[in-house]
Order: sequence, then C-alpha cells, then structure tokens
Amino acid sequence: GQSLEQPSEVTAVEGAIVQINCTYQTSGFYGLSWYQQHDGGAPTFLSYNALDGLEETGRFSSFLSRSDSYGYLLLQELQMKDSASYFCAASDTGRRALTFGSGTRLQVQP
Amino acid sequence: DSGVTQTPKHLITATGQRVTLRCSPRSGDLSVYWYQQSLDQGLQFLIQYYNGEERAKGNILERFSAQQFPDLHSELNLSSLELGDSALYFCASSVDGNTIYFGEGSWLTVV
Repeated sequence: GQSLEQPSEVTAVEGAIVQINCTYQTSGFYGLSWYQQHDGGAPTFLSYNALDGLEETGRFSSFLSRSDSYGYLLLQELQMKDSASYFCAASDTGRRALTFGSGTRLQVQP
Repeated sequence: DSGVTQTPKHLITATGQRVTLRCSPRSGDLSVYWYQQSLDQGLQFLIQYYNGEERAKGNILERFSAQQFPDLHSELNLSSLELGDSALYFCASSVDGNTIYFGEGSWLTVV
C-alpha cells in the first residue's frame, strides 16, 4: 500500500511563492503527481514527476526525490485564484489507482 | 473540460434506496476509476476497471458495486443507502495510469 503526508493548510499572500511538501511511503512507487481542486469542483491535473528533479509548468513547478521519498509543489507569483486544495498522488508500478494525500488547503490573501 | 462525463450531477434520495451513477471516460482511455469525497475529506479510492475488467479495489463497501461495459462506460451502484454515504462521487479515466482526469462529479445527498 501507499500513504502520503502533506500539510493540511498553508496561507500566503498574493505575489508570493509557496511550497507544498509531500512525503510518501509506498511499495512499488512509480511517480508523483499533483492535483488542484477548487471548492465544489473536480480535481484537475497540474504536474507529474516520474524522475528525480524539477518539472516546470508556467507558475507551477514540481519536484521529486526518490531517495528521500519526498516531493513538493512550488507555486510562484501567487494569485487569488490559486486558493484551492492541492493533492499529491502516487502511482505504482502496477498502474493501479492513484493514492492521494489528504490535501493541503492553500489560502491566498491580498 | 476533462472529457470525462458523469451523470447525474446531483441526486437526492432516501435512506435504504439504491442509485446508479454513470461515467463516460475520455475517448481512448481504457481505465476508469471511482473515488468518493466526503465533506472536507480527501479522495478515497473505491474501485478501478481496465478494459472491462476489475483491476483494483479500494475502500469500497459491500453495498456498492461497479462495472465497466464493452463501450468502456462505467456505472457505480450504491444500494441500501445510509446518511453517511452522502458525498461527491468522482469518476476518472486514464490512458497510462499515471495521470488521471476527473469528471465533474455526482453529488449524492441521502436524506
């Protein structure tokens, strides 16, 4: 099985940078992905890492370190619309369902 | 728009009843997943199908069942409903199992 831990809440101001960490304990770990979910909405895919290192997609970047069983999502130039919950999720080598962390609620303040 | 379609969007039903939630995956995706999300909770994996066959099972109650049809659409059947089953039920699909795309969800309220 797999379990992922991430902080429950993070608060930051507009224009700032915030990092949301995720640590995982897994068997057969394959990759780590990140999803954004606004209240009442569907989770939407943000980023995926299968290899160690940084993946950049616009204002969002994601990092993975397999040796540390750790990853993070970096959000730059925060905007009010970034206020949402962010979930890390692990995939396994058997291509079975993603296991999600409990989510980090990000509140962006003016 | 993720390309995953779920119906109905909202459903209110009484305890003890049975409902069926329907999902059409993205074109070309063979894997379908069902997740449950209760208020302020995370995404709990229920079950996965791949090309019509059950692939993985999560925390799915015995009162719940699912299937994937030859045209790849899937249905989640919830029976003997209890108040605690009130939740948002998501269907998702994937082609590679690493990135999954969620539908807009079906809001189930049991009264």
